[in-house]
Amino acid sequence: DAKTTQPTSMDCAEGRAANLPCNHSTISGNEYVYWYRQIHSQGPQYIIHGLKNNETNEMASLIITEDRKSSTLILPHATLRDTAVYYCIVRGNQAGTALIFGKGTTLSVSS
Amino acid sequence: DAGITQSPRYKITETGRQVTLMCHQTWSHSYMFWYRQDLGHGLRLIYYSAAADITDKGEVPDGYVVSRSKTENFPLTLESATRSQTSVYFCASSDESRWEQFFGPGTRLTVL
Repeated sequence: DAKTTQPTSMDCAEGRAANLPCNHSTISGNEYVYWYRQIHSQGPQYIIHGLKNNETNEMASLIITEDRKSSTLILPHATLRDTAVYYCIVRGNQAGTALIFGKGTTLSVSS
Repeated sequence: DAGITQSPRYKITETGRQVTLMCHQTWSHSYMFWYRQDLGHGLRLIYYSAAADITDKGEVPDGYVVSRSKTENFPLTLESATRSQTSVYFCASSDESRWEQFFGPGTRLTVL
């Protein structure tokens, strides 16, 4: 699986958009980009995933560059409850493949 | 309640003792996973299972044993606990049609 690089930490004001970047320059053609988050002391929570098109769901949007070497997770209106560690994971498309977690980005949302 | 549960949520044990951490899911998911999370590290895979009676090692399997006699249960046993196994343990499951994994609340294990 491809390696990802994320900033260690980011800050965001409540109500503003949070844009979390991820570099995955060695991603291969059949690998997806996944985002999970982990709120303090809880199990990780799936947010969104994509292959090459931009994706949006009720939680967030995922923007993947055309060359697929980087992506950005967007939380459109961050709230205090979005304070968490966000993990960008690149993974093949076989069902049941384990996730490889890095250290992620600690997002702090403040009022 | 539907979902994935882990028990116990907290456990303190002594070096050399056998400990079993339980994981139960109600979705009949085929795949189940055990991860450990240590301070300053991301989650690391211990073992996983593709179906009942099918298990395989992950990144850090040494000192752990798993079994899966029923689809819904995936217990993790520390045969002889060591201090280095002090960690937070997360169980997860996923099915064949949806690729996201659903995680349990975790078990915080302390080995004295």
